[in-house]
Amino acid sequence: EAGVAQSPRYKIIEKRQSVAFWCNPISGHATLYWYQQILGQGPKLLIQFQNNGVVDDSQLPKDRFSAERLKGVDSTLKIQPAKLEDSAVYLCASSQGGGREQYFGPGTRLTVT
Amino acid sequence: GENVEQHPSTLSVQEGDSAVIKCTYSDSASNYFPWYKQELGKGPQLIIDIRSNVGEKKDQRIAVTLNKTAKHFSLHITETQPEDSAVYFCAASERDNYGQNFVFGPGTRLSVLP
Repeated sequence: EAGVAQSPRYKIIEKRQSVAFWCNPISGHATLYWYQQILGQGPKLLIQFQNNGVVDDSQLPKDRFSAERLKGVDSTLKIQPAKLEDSAVYLCASSQGGGREQYFGPGTRLTVT
Repeated sequence: GENVEQHPSTLSVQEGDSAVIKCTYSDSASNYFPWYKQELGKGPQLIIDIRSNVGEKKDQRIAVTLNKTAKHFSLHITETQPEDSAVYFCAASERDNYGQNFVFGPGTRLSVLP
């Protein structure tokens, strides 16, 4: 079974530029999560989707971050405009839902200069 | 909201020794406690989990204990091996029909010295 796929793996941008990350969850997983992991910290949930609907986006900085999950499969996370403090690894995870385990992708390491 | 603390932040042990990592949580409604292992350049991988109706769970060299009254849980790794070197995260969540909204601890960097 293929795991969670993410791209790109690395991205370097200047502050005030925009960037987008892509995630393809495990086939059949209805629940998809985006996390932000700052160096030396645990992952922090940004947004959770159930199929193509948002379940929780309470910690998403909505003035600059947006996410969508069209057709309930792939998802994109966008930052516009980026700030220095957005430098982090952005992790995507998926789950079958119903309180089952989350499976993480390898992450995208973003550096904002 | 939930707050998870984790200690120690770094841990070095000799190969073959045991390692113990401890976490505390604040929300008594949390009922699911997973442990994740993260190797360099990879996403976290679930290694063991425990639900609030169980006090202890073991899987080969790895065990987790939970004390609901004190709101703390611990990861125990016995007979450590160099490949156990990684960052370990505990998490707490309230499982619901959609999934889990995890709150992660800050992580423990475990180094197993040969």
